[in-house]
Amino acid sequence: ETGVTQSPTHLIKTRGQQVTLRCSSQSGHNTVSWYQQALGQGPQFIFQYYREEENGRGNFPPRFSGLQFPNYSSELNVNALELDDSALYLCASSFDIKQPQHFGDGTRLSIL
Amino acid sequence: ELKVEQNPLFLSMQEGKNYTIYCNYSTTSDRLYWYRQDPGKSLESLFVLLSNGAVKQEGRLMASLDTKARLSTLHITAAVHDLSATYFCAVDPTVPRGTSYGKLTFGQGTILTVHP
Repeated sequence: ETGVTQSPTHLIKTRGQQVTLRCSSQSGHNTVSWYQQALGQGPQFIFQYYREEENGRGNFPPRFSGLQFPNYSSELNVNALELDDSALYLCASSFDIKQPQHFGDGTRLSIL
Repeated sequence: ELKVEQNPLFLSMQEGKNYTIYCNYSTTSDRLYWYRQDPGKSLESLFVLLSNGAVKQEGRLMASLDTKARLSTLHITAAVHDLSATYFCAVDPTVPRGTSYGKLTFGQGTILTVHP
């Protein structure tokens, strides 16, 4: 039990649609990172939020965006969905930017 | 660009045997993580290695870190079927003072299958 909850667990969308994935962290977890894991690959860093501001971004286009809220929840938004966006999306949070992260169970997104 | 390479990518072992998974990375780092992932599941944290020479053991798994060689190893002792899973190493690159950690670069993963 990591204390990091993601919703929904599964989601099916079609090309061109928009999606919002949610992550709820433990109280006090002021850092959240999002990762994309395509089938058969390691997770790839999308971006990190620290105290509600973006704090670093991986090699993902601007149609991937996020928010972090004062209640330690966060969102990953993806616009103009493409087939290659099909993946497991993981959020990870920690009490502090220097502490190890705890991963949620992920949201599996399928694009048809 | 930070690169993290694991080998082997596929490992088929007999129960009771020993083996080592290697993780090489291309930039300075003082923190490295090992994770386990079961099919369709999320990542389970196994070890956090925070300094050169760090060694940690949990059950049949032991991890070590050599920051000078930019190498970490995950050693499996007397494998059992329950260890079958995919194992990832992940590197958090050294960052300037005042900036944050937690932007991990993962290896490709090692799929471990333990046979009776």
